[in-house]
Amino acid sequence: AQSVSQHNHHVILSEAASLELGCNYSYGGTVNLFWYVQYPGQHLQLLLKYFSGDPLVKGIKGFEAEFIKSKFSFNLRKPSVQWSDTAEYFCAVAPRQAGTALIFGKGTTLSVSS
Amino acid sequence: EAQVTQNPRYLITVTGKKLTVTCSQNMNHEYMSWYRQDPGLGLRQIYYSMNVEVTDKGDVPEGYKVSRKEKRNFPLILESPSPNQTSLYFCASSLLTGMGHTGELFFGEGSRLTVL
Repeated sequence: AQSVSQHNHHVILSEAASLELGCNYSYGGTVNLFWYVQYPGQHLQLLLKYFSGDPLVKGIKGFEAEFIKSKFSFNLRKPSVQWSDTAEYFCAVAPRQAGTALIFGKGTTLSVSS
Repeated sequence: EAQVTQNPRYLITVTGKKLTVTCSQNMNHEYMSWYRQDPGLGLRQIYYSMNVEVTDKGDVPEGYKVSRKEKRNFPLILESPSPNQTSLYFCASSLLTGMGHTGELFFGEGSRLTVL
């Protein structure tokens, strides 16, 4: 069965620290990849996406993610986090074939202390 | 403004009392979906719809029904709610391409349901 694994359940960082959140998926075909963010009390918003081309994609608020096809990974990074980055982060995978669902990981809670 | 609208945002009900959570989108999206979010379990898909009159089960469809009579609306129906359906529910929509949906979902604000 297709699945998405996020390595860390809860990450705690101080402001200005670097961030890397891991995401691996299990699907042999071509996929579209996403990171969504959910700020406290809010709905999910798209942070960044990868469909094709340059495997290093840049999103909003200084976030970037790298697609490594050989590792089935799509890790999220940010060089210097801010307190306002405190949120839950979800990796998601959409197998690129008709009629399939978007599969979410279980999420990683990021807490940034000022 | 492009948006997905859910109602109600908050609801407390009792076991067995039928309820409907409405979802409407104004972006002419073909794909719509319902998710529930529970602590430690992330987002789990309940049902999804690829177009009008086309619906399919997600990962956790038991106890839920949906319908897609119009493109913009995708209501979630709990015929006989039980306490294990206490959760935060999100409706979402996206465009479809020839290769399926883009995966770029637009989410509603969420509906927090408590079943006593």
